[in-house]
Amino acid sequence: AQSVAQPEDQVNVAEGNPLTVKCTYSVSGNPYLFWYVQYPNRGLQFLLKYITGDNLVKGSYGFEAEFNKSQTSFHLKKPSALVSDSALYFCAVTPTGGGNKLTFGTGTQLKVEL
Amino acid sequence: DGGITQSPKYLFRKEGQNVTLSCEQNLNHDAMYWYRQDPGQGLRLIYYSQIVNDFQKGDIAEGYSVSREKKESFPLTVTSAQKNPTAFYLCASSIVFSSGTSYNEQFFGPGTRLTVL
Repeated sequence: AQSVAQPEDQVNVAEGNPLTVKCTYSVSGNPYLFWYVQYPNRGLQFLLKYITGDNLVKGSYGFEAEFNKSQTSFHLKKPSALVSDSALYFCAVTPTGGGNKLTFGTGTQLKVEL
Repeated sequence: DGGITQSPKYLFRKEGQNVTLSCEQNLNHDAMYWYRQDPGQGLRLIYYSQIVNDFQKGDIAEGYSVSREKKESFPLTVTSAQKNPTAFYLCASSIVFSSGTSYNEQFFGPGTRLTVL
């Protein structure tokens, strides 16, 4: 069975500094990996995905993520954080050929302070 | 304006009552999903459907039921058998390829917050 770990419940960063939100995964075979963001009392918004190809994936709002197969990681990054980036971030995985079932991590609360 | 709508936004249920949460999409997506979100637990899959008149149980289907009579609609009923139904419920949809595999992202509705009184 696949699983996703987001080891940090909360990440605090100053505005203008780089941010990293960590994600590691476990699947049989090759993974499809996703990042979503959720603002309070709202649904999830898609940020980016890794399917195949370049290990560095660029997504919405200046976010990017790096796929590392040897470390089974897919960390979310942004070079310069904004206060408006403060939200709950979810990593998700589905294995190749695994149909449509996504497995989500428990989420990481990002707080960007002035 | 394409997207997924969920109604109501807030729902209150008395113990012993069944309630139905609505989910409608106009994205022409074949697959639809229901998730439950609890603080600190992420999203857990309740039911999903890849085609009209067919659906499969997810990880926490007990106490829930669904139907998929139309492509656009995937209502979720929370029955009295669900012992702890207070949660935030999210509906999503996605494209499905003919092979049954989809690596396309899921699109989410705004959610329904259910509270048991």
